Amino acid sequence: AQSVTQLDSQVPVFEEAPVELRCNYSSSVSVYLFWYVQYPNQGLQLLLKYLSGSTLVKGINGFEAEFNKSQTSFHLRKPSVHISDTAEYFCAVSEGYSGYSTLTFGKGTMLLVSP
Amino acid sequence: EAQVTQNPRYLITVTGKKLTVTCSQNMNHEYMSWYRQDPGLGLRQIYYSMNVEVTDKGDVPEGYKVSRKEKRNFPLILESPSPNQTSLYFCASRAMGQGLSNEQFFGPGTRLTVL
Repeated sequence: AQSVTQLDSQVPVFEEAPVELRCNYSSSVSVYLFWYVQYPNQGLQLLLKYLSGSTLVKGINGFEAEFNKSQTSFHLRKPSVHISDTAEYFCAVSEGYSGYSTLTFGKGTMLLVSP
Repeated sequence: EAQVTQNPRYLITVTGKKLTVTCSQNMNHEYMSWYRQDPGLGLRQIYYSMNVEVTDKGDVPEGYKVSRKEKRNFPLILESPSPNQTSLYFCASRAMGQGLSNEQFFGPGTRLTVL
């Protein structure tokens, strides 16, 4: 069975500082990996996804993530955050190469950006 | 516009009063799913469906029912709601098939309060 661990429940950071949100997964097969963002009082929006190929994935709003198979990690990064990046971020994993796999989410990381 | 819609968006009810939350998607997706989101627990899957008349339990199915009579609709039914079902509920859908990304598209959420 697959699982996702988001190591930080909350990450406070100042505006224009870099940020990294950590995500580790476990699975016995190849995986697809996702980061979703949830702005206050809104639904979930896809930020980026890794399916195959280049391990560095670029998403919307200047975010990127790096897939590290040996460390089973998919950390999310942004070199300079804005106040508007304040949101909850969810890492999710799906077993790859199958259209029948379910999506398993981590517990989320709240990114709090202050001036 | 491709979207997943849910109704109602907000609902306050009392213990034991049956309710239904509707979910509809216009993307002709085979797969539909219901999640609940609770603070510190992330998103947990309640039920999912891979096709019409095919439904299966997720991680937290107790106290919920679903049906899939049409491809586009996947209502969530609480026959006898209890206060521990107070939560934020999301419906999601995706296409299915070998080689697809398993990316799910989410509805805007339904905030349910059971008194």
